[in-house]
Amino acid sequence: ELKVEQNPLFLSMQEGKNYTIYCNYSTTSDRLYWYRQDPGKSLESLFVLLSNGAVKQEGRLMASLDTKARLSTLHITAAVHDLSATYFCAVGETSGSRLTFGEGTQLTVNP
Amino acid sequence: GAGVSQSPSNKVTEKGKDVELRCDPISGHTALYWYRQSLGQGLEFLIYFQGNSAPDKSGLPSDRFSAERTGGSVSTLTIQRTQQEDSAVYLCASSSRSGNTIYFGEGSWLTVV
Repeated sequence: ELKVEQNPLFLSMQEGKNYTIYCNYSTTSDRLYWYRQDPGKSLESLFVLLSNGAVKQEGRLMASLDTKARLSTLHITAAVHDLSATYFCAVGETSGSRLTFGEGTQLTVNP
Repeated sequence: GAGVSQSPSNKVTEKGKDVELRCDPISGHTALYWYRQSLGQGLEFLIYFQGNSAPDKSGLPSDRFSAERTGGSVSTLTIQRTQQEDSAVYLCASSSRSGNTIYFGEGSWLTVV
């Protein structure tokens, strides 16, 4: 059974600081997703990582994937309040199959 | 439509009643997923449809839950004899066959009283 673990689960940080959220998974996968969820809202797709060494960046967020270590990271650069949300990683075992989600990281960026 | 559409957006039902939740995926998407999210929790997989293949029902929590997908498009999730622990947001998602990007709907908020 595929297990996905995120850490930290709760992150409070100041504006302007950098931090990294980690996503570890237990079995081989060829797809890794990052989503953002605002309170009371659905999930917004941030990144899809499909190969070892893949790196994608959008604004202050950068995601990377190391399939050998079964690890993905979501790096936040110079955080701003608007980034406050819950971030989920999700892993698919094979192309087109279901996703298994991590528990989510609740990020709060304080002014 | 432009995105994944779910209805109803909110549903309050009495314990023991049956409910149906509908999902209209993005046009042309062959894959459709149902997930459940309880308050403050992560996402729990329920069922996955891919084209005409047999669905992956391994996440359905009990035989009170069932889902169908008609004509490879619209899907209905049915919960029979609802219980209070069924209260959650039910999220539908769809993707193309490759699954490279998976889009979620706004969810159906179910409250069982």
